[in-house]
Amino acid sequence: EVQLLESGGGLVQLGGSLRLSCAASGFSFSNYYMSWVRQAPGKGLEWVSSTSGAGGRTDYADSVRGRFTISRNNIRNTLYLQMNSLRAEDTAVYFCAQHIYDSGGYYYAHWGQGTLVTVSS
Amino acid sequence: EIVMTQSPATLSVSPGERATLSCRASQSVSNNLAWYQQKPGQAPRLLIYDASTRATGIPARFSGSGSGTEFTLTISSLQSEDFAVYYCHQYTNWPPKTFGQGTKLEVK
Repeated sequence: EVQLLESGGGLVQLGGSLRLSCAASGFSFSNYYMSWVRQAPGKGLEWVSSTSGAGGRTDYADSVRGRFTISRNNIRNTLYLQMNSLRAEDTAVYFCAQHIYDSGGYYYAHWGQGTLVTVSS
Repeated sequence: EIVMTQSPATLSVSPGERATLSCRASQSVSNNLAWYQQKPGQAPRLLIYDASTRATGIPARFSGSGSGTEFTLTISSLQSEDFAVYYCHQYTNWPPKTFGQGTKLEVK
């Protein structure tokens, strides 16, 4: 059974930093693209960042590029999101998600339960 | 950039009735379309991928249809546990950033 368990969220001041982790189990972690998706309170889903299985490819939403860094440790089966220069608009629940590839592309197959990040002034 | 538009924003349906949710893409995404269900305080859950294939463990009352730019999620006979927010997502190109804004399915 695929399990994704996020941690590291919390209350942080404006301009501060936080590192989120997502511990994966139940699948061969290094073989899968992974992403972070966030959801601000009462809002929809917003893609944040993605990485390839080996970590060599990374992509970022314009809203976080230059401030957030996605990485992974395929020995520890863990995905990370380093968040710097945090803004009020980064307040959200952050989900990690596993992608499955089919002939058309990568869809989100499994999601973690999320971790809440609150940026306060 | 492909934009996904869901309608309606809110749908009120009685338990036992059929619900039909729509998702439109601003350009063709072939059949690279997924649907997710999200209940309050929970993570999204994959329901449908490839526009019409049910994910593992998803009841047969959920069905997806469409291709190109027009897609539909149908729930044939609503159960109490089906009232939630539903999102469509296109994955015809990378990165996988394009979600619809969601349709809230509520009890009438």
